[in-house]
Amino acid sequence: SYVLTQPPSVSVAPGKTATITCGGNNIGSKTVHWSQQKPGQAPVLVISHDSDRPTGIPDRFSGSNSGNPATLTITRVEAGDEADYYCQVWDSSSRQMLFGGGTRLTVL
Amino acid sequence: EVQLVESGGGLVQPGGSLRLSCVASGFSFDVYAIHWVRQAPGKGLEWVSGLSWNSDIIGFADSVKGRFTISRDNTRNSLYLQMTDLRPEDTALYYCVKSAVAGSGYNDAFDVWGQGTMVSVAS
Repeated sequence: SYVLTQPPSVSVAPGKTATITCGGNNIGSKTVHWSQQKPGQAPVLVISHDSDRPTGIPDRFSGSNSGNPATLTITRVEAGDEADYYCQVWDSSSRQMLFGGGTRLTVL
Repeated sequence: EVQLVESGGGLVQPGGSLRLSCVASGFSFDVYAIHWVRQAPGKGLEWVSGLSWNSDIIGFADSVKGRFTISRDNTRNSLYLQMTDLRPEDTALYYCVKSAVAGSGYNDAFDVWGQGTMVSVAS
């Protein structure tokens, strides 16, 4: 079955750029979505369809899926960006929605 | 305000059953696919099941196939998850989530999440 691989953790200093990766076999042929989950809260969609930002999401968040891996980039990182980030794809072979294992972003 | 409110969670013994409900408000429920996603304590997100707007597309994760059923009542803006033969590994917070795209968006992004209802399976 299809597997999405994310690094367990990423650390970044405030004001710097964080890059979170999501790997999978031929992931460029799939559509990737990204969600942010802060402690004790429900997830929030931050990037849809590889690179679209939902209304209300700052333009510091961007996504790319031009190859393996897909990436979520957060520029000018703030303390409030500290959260778990999950990538998500639809696997047409198994007809199931899949999530990556999640990446914990720590702001130093 | 777009909202999803789950209910029906609780403590159940292994082998038992439970029915979760999700009530939607603030949007046209009957044109969106709705899904269940769960999160075990301290773990990541796991898609459980989904149902298209008109109930003609239904999906389940391998881990629950044959034990869980999903249904909706568009007249009541409600989604249901009937869970049987529950196992300790089904212990999780169960979220009701909305697809971002109306109509054919069964396999699309999830743009609205409820706050979840907790299911605990233990003897």
